[in-house]
Amino acid sequence: GEDVEQSLFLSVREGDSSVINCTYTDSSSTYLYWYKQEPGAGLQLLTYIFSNMDMKQDQRLTVLLNKKDKHLSLRIADTQTGDSAIYFCAETDTGFQKLVFGTGTRLLVSP
Amino acid sequence: DAGVIQSPRHEVTEMGQEVTLRCKPISGHDYLFWYRQTMMRGLELLIYFNNNVPIDDSGMPEDRFSAKMPNASFSTLKIQPSEPRDSAVYFCASSQLGTSRVPDTQYFGPGTRLTVL
Repeated sequence: GEDVEQSLFLSVREGDSSVINCTYTDSSSTYLYWYKQEPGAGLQLLTYIFSNMDMKQDQRLTVLLNKKDKHLSLRIADTQTGDSAIYFCAETDTGFQKLVFGTGTRLLVSP
Repeated sequence: DAGVIQSPRHEVTEMGQEVTLRCKPISGHDYLFWYRQTMMRGLELLIYFNNNVPIDDSGMPEDRFSAKMPNASFSTLKIQPSEPRDSAVYFCASSQLGTSRVPDTQYFGPGTRLTVL
């Protein structure tokens, strides 16, 4: 079955860039997503990328997709303490509503 | 729109009791999902519905778990009898097929934190 892997923890200083990585196994993934979960809250969609794209930029967020290596990354520029949260990558096939989530990466931003 | 609404936000119950979690999806969304989140197992999809019909319940852990969607604006997840290992945060999410702007996006509710003593 599909599998999505992430590193569990990342710690950065305020103002630095953060890079959160994700690998997946399903070669037919059509859309890949990044969700953010703040403490005590549900998941919130941050951004997504279609599988025929290599990169997508959205303000401080940059998503890179290496389809050959099945590797997805999320770069947060000028990381702020408010960015501290758990970040989940997820993938899905065309026509299917079922998302497969990664294990989540806990990002801690220190002042 | 108010977003996905879940109730209660917190539930504490004793082992053996029946627990009912409720969800109101975003109006117009035709897919509804129930997830469970624990430290050990992460985020697990339990079941999802399309147009009120259960499509995939392969993630439902045991017969003690059941979910219904009697209409487009309401769903329940029931655990009977509850056990301490059911303690988790349960999320409901909804989505709309064919949304041109962001396809397949799921919108999550705030979750119900269940504690079974």
